[in-house]
Amino acid sequence: GQQLNQSPQSMFIQEGEDVSMNCTSSSIFNTWLWYKQDPGEGPVLLIALYKAGELTSNGRLTAQFGITRKDSFLNISASIPSDVGIYFCAGQLQGAGSYQLTFGKGTKLSVIP
Amino acid sequence: ETGVTQTPRHLVMGMTNKKSLKCEQHLGHNAMYWYKQSAKKPLELMFVYSLEERVENNSVPSRFSPECPNSSHLFLHLHTLQPEDSALYLCASSQRGSGNTIYFGEGSWLTVV
Repeated sequence: GQQLNQSPQSMFIQEGEDVSMNCTSSSIFNTWLWYKQDPGEGPVLLIALYKAGELTSNGRLTAQFGITRKDSFLNISASIPSDVGIYFCAGQLQGAGSYQLTFGKGTKLSVIP
Repeated sequence: ETGVTQTPRHLVMGMTNKKSLKCEQHLGHNAMYWYKQSAKKPLELMFVYSLEERVENNSVPSRFSPECPNSSHLFLHLHTLQPEDSALYLCASSQRGSGNTIYFGEGSWLTVV
């Protein structure tokens, strides 16, 4: 199956700090998605990327679709306590007729007030 | 509110019971999905329906039986489950042909006793 490595697995940061996490794949993707999941809830879409090199922001969040199509990163600036949760990346293979997204294992973010 | 509603949010069932999970999407999408999320595992795709036809079944045991009566509703019928089937079951939907960005419901927590 496809491999998608997400790092770091977990992070403890001070409120106000910036955060960076990334995903790398062994295959080329044509779509990268970033989700956040709060405890007991479903993942909520944060940012969707459809084009290599694309840099997209959503408030304090910025994500980029790597130029090689094999990686993506998510940055959170000036973290606040409500940023706590698990962040997942997901990618869809290029040219695949499949409906399947490949998900990373998640980055668990803890923010210390 | 993501536009994808799941009921019940929590379900406890015995191994001999028959129960169903329900999902409804209000986004006008044409594809619906069931995912399973277990502790310390990536999200696992179970079933995909596109235009009410099942297009993917990822080797899911027959004790899980999906049903898609129309493009807005999706069910997961459960019978003779095992304790290891306890997990968060997530419904999702997407619009094929528009980047296939998927939107998740809040999930149904299933505990099999």
